[in-house]
Amino acid sequence: KAGVTQTPRYLIKTRGQQVTLSCSPISGHRSVSWYQQTPGQGLQFLFEYFSETQRNKGNFPGRFSGRQFSNSRSEMNVSTLELGDSALYLCASSLGRDGVKAFFGQGTRLTVV
Amino acid sequence: QKEVEQDPGPLSVPEGAIVSLNCTYSNSAFQYFMWYRQYSRKGPELLMYTYSSGNKEDGRFTAQVDKSSKYISLFIRDSQPSDSATYLCAIGNNDMRFGAGTRLTVKP
Repeated sequence: KAGVTQTPRYLIKTRGQQVTLSCSPISGHRSVSWYQQTPGQGLQFLFEYFSETQRNKGNFPGRFSGRQFSNSRSEMNVSTLELGDSALYLCASSLGRDGVKAFFGQGTRLTVV
Repeated sequence: QKEVEQDPGPLSVPEGAIVSLNCTYSNSAFQYFMWYRQYSRKGPELLMYTYSSGNKEDGRFTAQVDKSSKYISLFIRDSQPSDSATYLCAIGNNDMRFGAGTRLTVKP
């Protein structure tokens, strides 16, 4: 069974640009959660989608948005990039609605210059 | 005060030692408790999952939850150099709160 796949693995963007990250969950998993990981703040919850609906949202500005498609694949978008957005963005999928017992992808490392 | 507190270490032990990793949490309503292992430049890997007080064992790993004290632990027996990684606790209900992670090094 294939794991969670995130693309691209690495990205370099300039301040002010926008970026879209993609996540394909484990087959059969309908819940997809997104996290930001930085050395200073650790793993922080961005949002969670289940059956194309955003169920939970973390404490991030509106520049961070996401969506989920009918095949459970999810995308995350960050607009007007700031230097502080440089981080490892992780996607996790799970069977249930609550994001518990989630399996993570390898992450997308975003560098904003 | 953070909802989940975890000592970031670093923690260094000799091969074969018993390792104890701990987290405390503030919200008694949290029901799910998990431990993840993260190697450098990789995504976190689910190690243990439980939703009740008590112990859960899986090979060399034992997860312990004490809901009355809002305290969880992960024990690693007969630690190996391949156990060197960052260990993250995750606690919550609908959206999991992660600890800061404890960096563990097991020296041969």
